[in-house]
Amino acid sequence: NAGVTQTPKFRILKIGQSMTLQCTQDMNHNYMYWYRQDPGMGLKLIYYSVGAGITDKGEVPNGYNVSRSTTEDFPLRLELAAPSQTSVYFCASSSTGGTKGGYNEQFFGPGTRLTVL
Amino acid sequence: GENVEQHPSTLSVQEGDSAVIKCTYSDSASNYFPWYKQELGKGPQLIIDIRSNVGEKKDQRIAVTLNKTAKHFSLHITETQPEDSAVYFCAARRRSGGGADGLTFGKGTHLIIQP
Repeated sequence: NAGVTQTPKFRILKIGQSMTLQCTQDMNHNYMYWYRQDPGMGLKLIYYSVGAGITDKGEVPNGYNVSRSTTEDFPLRLELAAPSQTSVYFCASSSTGGTKGGYNEQFFGPGTRLTVL
Repeated sequence: GENVEQHPSTLSVQEGDSAVIKCTYSDSASNYFPWYKQELGKGPQLIIDIRSNVGEKKDQRIAVTLNKTAKHFSLHITETQPEDSAVYFCAARRRSGGGADGLTFGKGTHLIIQP
C-alpha cells in the first residue's frame, strides 16, 4: 500500500490564483481530513469527510473548498489564493472517525508546501 | 472548543538521558490522546496513544501518562538515541458537529538529542 499520497509536493501561487491540492489513499478508509501547519504551530483542521459525498467544516475552513466523489480521493481547492494561505498542507485518513468509541489512528500524507506571493 | 497546550517548545537532552514532554487540554470530554513524531519534510506519524480509561501506557522506550483530573498528559522517552531527534506533537480528540473527530494539536516540541 502506498498509504496517503499528496500532489504536488511544492507550489508557488500568485495572489488571486486558484489551485487544487490532491490527496489519495489506498487503504479504503472512510474518513479523510485536511490540516494546515503553519511554522512553529500544530496542525489545524480545515475540512473533513466521513465518506463519499459527505464533507464538513473543521476549525479553519475559510478560503477553502473540498469534495469527496470517491472513497479514495479528497481534493482541497483554493479559489482565490491569499498570503495567509501560505502553509504546509497535510491530508490524513482513518478507518473510522471514532464516533462510536473507535479511536483509529490517522495516517498522514507527506504534505504539500504552498507559498502565496 | 478544545485547546491543547504543549511544553517545552524545544528540548535538548544528552544521548542516553530521558526526555519528558507535557501537554494540557481544556475539554473534559476529550477521551483520546495520541502523540505524533514528525521528521523533517515528512508528515506526522503516530508513535503512541492513550485512551481516557487508562492512566499509563508503555511501548519499549516510550511511555505516556494521563491525569484526567488535572487534564494533562505526558510523553516519556527513556535512553534517548539520535534517531529520536524530531518534532513531537500531542493531540486530543475533539468531537465536531458532523460526527467525525478531528484532532486538536499542540504546537509541537523540537527534541534535540546531543551526542
